[in-house]
Amino acid sequence: DQQVKQNSPSLSVQEGRISILNCDYTNSMFDYFLWYKKYPAEGPTFLISISSIKDKNEDGRFTVFLNKSAKHLSLHIVPSQPGDSAVYFCAASASLSGGGADGLTFGKGTHLIIQP
Amino acid sequence: DSGVTQTPKHLITATGQRVTLRCSPRSGDLSVYWYQQSLDQGLQFLIQYYNGEERAKGNILERFSAQQFPDLHSELNLSSLELGDSALYFCASSVDRVDMRYNEQFFGPGTRLTVL
Repeated sequence: DQQVKQNSPSLSVQEGRISILNCDYTNSMFDYFLWYKKYPAEGPTFLISISSIKDKNEDGRFTVFLNKSAKHLSLHIVPSQPGDSAVYFCAASASLSGGGADGLTFGKGTHLIIQP
Repeated sequence: DSGVTQTPKHLITATGQRVTLRCSPRSGDLSVYWYQQSLDQGLQFLIQYYNGEERAKGNILERFSAQQFPDLHSELNLSSLELGDSALYFCASSVDRVDMRYNEQFFGPGTRLTVL
């Protein structure tokens, strides 16, 4: 039972255009969502996050949108650059009753390829 | 560089053996998380420790155990190893302060375990 789904295994975008990566989740207990970027043989690198009380968060070229009713989030990268080529993981967590957050549940990832 | 260190980088061992993976969190981070990344299962949460105590458990096998020491470094022990345990093992850390509901997790470079 996949609680976090990234339905596009790969996405090809031209340099300078917008990249939109999508993610769907099923667990209504998730209240914090994160995007990570990963290169082969390296650990995931944190990009941006959003809590369930917001619907948008921006950080430079990266914007994350959250639609709670649809249980959907997306990551927008504008403009896309060659260095953005990597695998992007969507992740979600739920708050623990005693404080803090549970471990992250990850999607399978989307391989973003930025073409010159 | 996330500030999270993991040793060793690579580990090759035989079935039935036991290994220990080590993780040092970022300075000031109280929580340590362990994840396994395999080809078929993706990134999966194993276990979390907060300030020396186990806080949350994910899909961790009974053959696996972890602990967090007073200096906050953590070790993941894998015993009776099987071929299917071959994977990348990541450690992540977060501040996880009581007054902060949401905490980003920062990942180390991983340990690649090969069981022959």
